[in-house]
Amino acid sequence: AQTVTQSQPEMSVQEAETVTLSCTYDTSESNYYLFWYKQPPSRQMILVIRQEAYKQQNATENRFSVNFQKAAKSFSLKISDSQLGDTAMYFCAFRYGGSQGNLIFGKGTKLSVKP
Amino acid sequence: KAGVTQTPRYLIKTRGQQVTLSCSPISGHRSVSWYQQTPGQGLQFLFEYFSETQRNKGNFPGRFSGRQFSNSRSEMNVSTLELGDSALYLCASSPFQGMNTEAFFGQGTRLTVV
Repeated sequence: AQTVTQSQPEMSVQEAETVTLSCTYDTSESNYYLFWYKQPPSRQMILVIRQEAYKQQNATENRFSVNFQKAAKSFSLKISDSQLGDTAMYFCAFRYGGSQGNLIFGKGTKLSVKP
Repeated sequence: KAGVTQTPRYLIKTRGQQVTLSCSPISGHRSVSWYQQTPGQGLQFLFEYFSETQRNKGNFPGRFSGRQFSNSRSEMNVSTLELGDSALYLCASSPFQGMNTEAFFGQGTRLTVV
């Protein structure tokens, strides 16, 4: 069974600083995608970044980047220059071919950005 | 382009009743998935529909069912409601099935069973 683990239930960071959210996963699949989703208090999940397992280069989207370590099955999210609007729940998610599209989510990390 | 629309936003039902939730995907999207979000279990996959056919189903009892119409709109139904069904139900749409497709989520329906 595929599992996704986020070991940090809550984190806080000062505005303008950098924070890293951890995610590990367990799978025997060789090809899959990993995602980070953000869920602000408005409840709407928004895709932050995605990474294909076959790509060695770490994905980057503006202030968001990942550190993908395939052998260690680790997929951490780094947020640089944190902004108050980054306050949200962050979910790590996994999807592989056999799941035909459904995402397998971690339990989430609640990030608070403080002024 | 309008986003994923879920109705209603909030719902209060009594144990034993049944409920129907609605999801209108982004125009052109043919895949619709449903997830249940609770504080204890997190986000759990319910089912996925593509071109009016259920393509995948999560580990939920038969009281949970769904369907998709020819215009890709989807409904999910929960019969004989239990207190434990209280949750945020999220719908996500994608243009097609596939590992790398982005899922666009609605704001969810908050169901409270009393």
